[in-house]
Amino acid sequence: NAGVTQTPKFQVLKTGQSMTLQCAQDMNHEYMSWYRQDPGMGLRLIHYSVGAGITDQGEVPNGYNVSRSTTEDFPLRLLSAAPSQTSVYFCASSRRGPMANIQYFGAGTRLSVL
Amino acid sequence: GENVEQHPSTLSVQEGDSAVIKCTYSDSASNYFPWYKQELGKRPQLIIDIRSNVGEKKDQRIAVTLNKTAKHFSLHITETQPEDSAVYFCAAENTNAGKSTFGDGTTLTVKP
Repeated sequence: NAGVTQTPKFQVLKTGQSMTLQCAQDMNHEYMSWYRQDPGMGLRLIHYSVGAGITDQGEVPNGYNVSRSTTEDFPLRLLSAAPSQTSVYFCASSRRGPMANIQYFGAGTRLSVL
Repeated sequence: GENVEQHPSTLSVQEGDSAVIKCTYSDSASNYFPWYKQELGKRPQLIIDIRSNVGEKKDQRIAVTLNKTAKHFSLHITETQPEDSAVYFCAAENTNAGKSTFGDGTTLTVKP
């Protein structure tokens, strides 16, 4: 049981390049989310999903796309990278239910955009 | 949407003292309030949570209180130890909507 796995751990991009951050969970969790964490700040929600085939925008969705074709995977796509997207990205998953909702985070992806 | 404010942003205490971190939220539909601890360079990890039908919850040296009327909740750490030094985040969630809003974090330093 690996939990939430994010790849890559580190990435350097040039302005304008595109890439996909991968996130996979093996806990059969319905909910998955992507956050970005800038230095000295909290976690800001980019996109989230309440189940396969369902996604929605968080508070900072511009410049990012997501899809959820399976329960396990929730990739985050940067369409045209900008220096403002330099950040640490965390994926998280949680179970749905009356005593659930605890979020389990991946180890993070440190992204630098030059 | 939901707005969560967290105070203080930094907190320094002597080992053995107590630490209190407070959060307020705006959306009355929020019904789940977790607290996460993040050590430097690591992922956030849940330390305690409370649901809207409970006013207080305790787990050893850590406790959380919730005042739904005033829309605020607090984390209390007693008998602090140097290993408690970390960034602590509160969050508020409407479990029916499936998304969380986080506070900006409190950097706790416990001095030996």
